[in-house]
Amino acid sequence: TQLLEQSPQFLSIQEGENLTVYCNSSSVFSSLQWYRQEPGEGPVLLVTVVTGGEVKKLKRLTFQFGDARKDSSLHITAAQPGDTGLYLCAGVETRGYNKLIFGAGTRLAVHP
Amino acid sequence: NAGVTQTPKFQVLKTGQSMTLQCAQDMNHNSMYWYRQDPGMGLRLIYYSASEGTTDKGEVPNGYNVSRLNKREFSLRLESAAPSQTSVYFCASSERTVMNTGELFFGEGSRLTVL
Repeated sequence: TQLLEQSPQFLSIQEGENLTVYCNSSSVFSSLQWYRQEPGEGPVLLVTVVTGGEVKKLKRLTFQFGDARKDSSLHITAAQPGDTGLYLCAGVETRGYNKLIFGAGTRLAVHP
Repeated sequence: NAGVTQTPKFQVLKTGQSMTLQCAQDMNHNSMYWYRQDPGMGLRLIYYSASEGTTDKGEVPNGYNVSRLNKREFSLRLESAAPSQTSVYFCASSERTVMNTGELFFGEGSRLTVL
């Protein structure tokens, strides 16, 4: 099974700060998704990246897929308390098993 | 819109008891999934059903069975619960398979404690 490692595990910052979350693997994924999960709820998809080197922006969130499709990053500019949550990356295996492999997640707390 | 509905939301079992988690989706999706979420381990796939009438094992299928009852419903059964199965269980569905970058829609989760 391909593994996805996320870092950092926990992040506690003040409103207005910038941050980057990383998702790394030694294996290649055909695509990668980022989800956000709030307490007591299921994860909700933020973005899917498919092409190596691809950059996607969602308001203050910028997602990048590594050139070799082994890693991805999520950058948040001027974080707000509403960004608080668990951020999960998930990669689609290349072996045709039709499954998403999830990282352990980064728990972000943004304080006013 | 209901989306993906899971029942029950909370359950406490004693070791050795059995139970079934129910999941239904109203989005006419072909694929359905059961995941478990444990602290520090992320979401791990238990079983999935790419389409009605088919089911396949995921990463951690031992101790579980599933039934794709029809296109809408996908249930997860614990035949003899063990403390190691204490977890939060999520059902999800997708219109397309994940190999075609299908988005997963998750239910709110079912929190299971096995004593």
